[in-house]
Parts: sequence; C-alpha cells; structure tokens
Amino acid sequence: QVTLTESGPALVKPRQTLTLTCTLSGFSLSTYGMCVSWVRQPPGKALEWLALVDWRNYKYYSTSLKTRLTISRDASKDQMVLTMTNMDPVDTATYYCALGTSCLGFDYWGQGALVTVSS
Amino acid sequence: DIQMTQSPSTLSASVGDRVNIACRASQSIGRWLAWYQQKPGKAPKLLIYTASNLESGVPSRFSGSGSGTEFTLTISSLQPDDIATYYCQQYNSYSQWTFGQGTKVEIK
Repeated sequence: QVTLTESGPALVKPRQTLTLTCTLSGFSLSTYGMCVSWVRQPPGKALEWLALVDWRNYKYYSTSLKTRLTISRDASKDQMVLTMTNMDPVDTATYYCALGTSCLGFDYWGQGALVTVSS
Repeated sequence: DIQMTQSPSTLSASVGDRVNIACRASQSIGRWLAWYQQKPGKAPKLLIYTASNLESGVPSRFSGSGSGTEFTLTISSLQPDDIATYYCQQYNSYSQWTFGQGTKVEIK
C-alpha cells in the first residue's frame, strides 16, 4: 500500500525557513519513472506545483519560486524534504507531497500539511 | 513557462446533465495533460492522464479528449458525488508541471 505523509511546523514566522518532510512507504523512489513532488494550495485558491525529484535524483523547481526552494531525498529513511526560505504570509497554504508512478500525473497524494505564516 | 487556462471557473448543472470543462495551454503540449478532482478538505485525485486515459477505479462517466492546446474533461451524466473542483495539469515541459486555475462544479 502506497502512503505519503507530510510533517512539519503548522506555524512559521515571516522571514523564517520552512522545512517539510514527506515520509514515503509502499514504493521505491529508485523505480524507473517514479517522481515525487510538492504542491501547495493557499486557502480557497488553486493548486500550485513547487518542486519535483525523480528516480534519477534529478530535481526540478517552479520558475517563480526556485530561488527559495530546495528539494532533497533521503533514500535510507524513505523521506523527501522541502525547504522554503524567507517565508511570507502569502505562503500560507496546505502543502502536499504527491507521487507519480510514471511522472505523467500524480497518482498518490498525502493528506496535506497546513502551514500558516504569521508573526 | 506554459500557462493553463480553464473555463468556466464555475459550472452549475443538474443531475444527469452532460458537463464539459475546457483547458487551454499557452503552447502545444501534445497529449501530456492530466485531470484531477478535488473535494473540499481533501487531496486531489487523479482522474485522467495523457489526455484521455482513465485512471484505474475512476467511473467511466468521466472522459478526456484533446491534444495540442485544447483539452476537455467530460462528465457524461453528472452525479451528486461529482461535486468538486476540477484541475488540469500539463507536463509536456519536463522541467515544469503547471496546473490550471480550477473549475468548480455545482448542482443546480
């Protein structure tokens, strides 16, 4: 059974760095064609793709946010980590990690982690 | 970057109606398009990949069509359980995966 679980702080202050962890189970990210991504959704707004790491450990970032994002994976722990620097209240959102078994779409999603940016 | 535009933003229809949601890409993406359904408070669910392939377990009343820059998600007979927001997503550009702004489907 494939599961993805996001974890991290529910509240961060402006200008701080956010670190979110996605714990993966039921699959290997080393499998050909696999990719894991971060997607966020501000309250009442649309989905926004942030970053992706694929089975070769190649990393891709949203053009508009790439200067603030770092995605990494720890295969030994089956975890993927997203860091976002210089957080602002507009970054308040539910952050999802999602798995694409062929990188053609995201088949499996975590339950999401709500992050509020406020002083 | 490729931009994805959905129409309409909100759609109100009766149970049993045929519903079409359009998605337009700012440049050709071949058939590299997915559709998702999202219900309030839940994570998105993949419905369609590669423009017209139905994800396993998705009811057959959902279908996708199109290629290039114009795509459509069709619900052949709207059911109460289909009330949700629907998103398209492109992945032709391998370094960017872009979502549309969403279409909210309501029951009239």
